Amino acid sequence: EVQLVESGGGLVQPGGSLRLSCAASGFSFSSYWMHWVRQAPGKGLVWVSRISSDGSITSYADSVKGRFTISRDNAKKTLYLQMNSLRAEDTAAYYCVREHDFWRIDYWGQGTLVTVSS
Amino acid sequence: QSVLTQPPSVSGAPGQRVTISCTGSSSNIGAGYDVHWYQQPPGTAPKVLIYGNTNRPSGVPDRFSGSKSGTSASLAITGLQAEDEADYYCQSYDSSLSGGVFGGGTKLTVL
Repeated sequence: EVQLVESGGGLVQPGGSLRLSCAASGFSFSSYWMHWVRQAPGKGLVWVSRISSDGSITSYADSVKGRFTISRDNAKKTLYLQMNSLRAEDTAAYYCVREHDFWRIDYWGQGTLVTVSS
Repeated sequence: QSVLTQPPSVSGAPGQRVTISCTGSSSNIGAGYDVHWYQQPPGTAPKVLIYGNTNRPSGVPDRFSGSKSGTSASLAITGLQAEDEADYYCQSYDSSLSGGVFGGGTKLTVL
């Protein structure tokens, strides 16, 4: 059974940093591209970042480019999102998702909540 | 403002049919990129409902169907049931943004 379990969310002050993790199990993690998608409270889904199966290719939404860094450790079957210079508008549930093929998501984690507030 | 446009809400009585539209542009749906649909019941994570414009994953009832034409796509739900109450999102790829794009979401209410 495919499982994606996010962790690392919490309350952080504006300008602060946080690192999210996503532990994957039940599939060959190193074979799949992975993404982070976020959802502000009461709002819609927004794509954040994507990483290739070997970690060599990354892309970001304009709203987080230069502040967030996606990475992965295939040996540990873990996806990461390093978030720096956090802003109030980054407050959201962050979902780790698996890409089946070209931008088609087939599995979602349960999400981890990030709150940016003083 | 989402790149893909969906109606904020739709409603229908049990047993009825509803459709949810998803309108894009020449850099996403109109460029031939696939549209995928996700269902998000209240307080839960999204799950895949339709992929590749028209395909249902195993376990999704055939009451749900997808279509695509030009710069738009649609999700149809027939035989509405109370358990269908959820938010529904369309998603595609946008070549101008070089990234994934979602619709703003549509809240389905079963009357």
